[in-house]
Amino acid sequence: NAGVTQTPKFQVLKTGQSMTLQCAQDMNHNSMYWYRQDPGMGLRLIYYSASEGTTDKGEVPNGYNVSRLNKREFSLRLESAAPSQTSVYFCASPPTGERTDTQYFGPGTRLTVL
Amino acid sequence: QKEVEQNSGPLSVPEGAIASLNCTYSDRVSQSFFWYRQYSGKSPELIMSIYSNGDKEDGRFTAQLNKASQYVSLLIRDSQPSDSATYLCAVNLFSGYALNFGKGTSLLVTP
Repeated sequence: NAGVTQTPKFQVLKTGQSMTLQCAQDMNHNSMYWYRQDPGMGLRLIYYSASEGTTDKGEVPNGYNVSRLNKREFSLRLESAAPSQTSVYFCASPPTGERTDTQYFGPGTRLTVL
Repeated sequence: QKEVEQNSGPLSVPEGAIASLNCTYSDRVSQSFFWYRQYSGKSPELIMSIYSNGDKEDGRFTAQLNKASQYVSLLIRDSQPSDSATYLCAVNLFSGYALNFGKGTSLLVTP
């Protein structure tokens, strides 16, 4: 997990509330990724950013927005949370000096939507 | 969506035995292959990467890749109770692209 930090670690929301999950990497790398992990579903890509200022949809982008304002930070926003968004969210980024497809994960944010 | 398939398990092996974890993938042009270990409540941790056909060894771990059969495996020798975790297979098409994960195999090593 070295080099990728996420905040908060835990969060409980009510349906309809909004929040932003923060991710930061100190490895000066271009690529960053947001995944969600649900029991029995594995890890699924929500959004990714190949470089500062660019973002692209992954497999399950509905209900989310992202922002990559600088090279270091990649945030994930839930505008109107739904119980289906209860999940564990992981940010990932490749470490400097390795192939860009070697992704390392942050510690995760455990989100519950009531 | 290209598929990455793993047996969900649980796979139970006695301490000291060899654990064999298997993964198949559907996209023939996949280039890079990874094994992650995930302990309960923790984030996935990269343990092996392999890019060419054949075997790659790192300590007690050996990754095996057969692109013709679209098959990648992970062998854990001298299994320890601390190896008990979920093992995730991940595949991607080319460098810089997001990973496609299998759903994971749960491994239980019994003392």
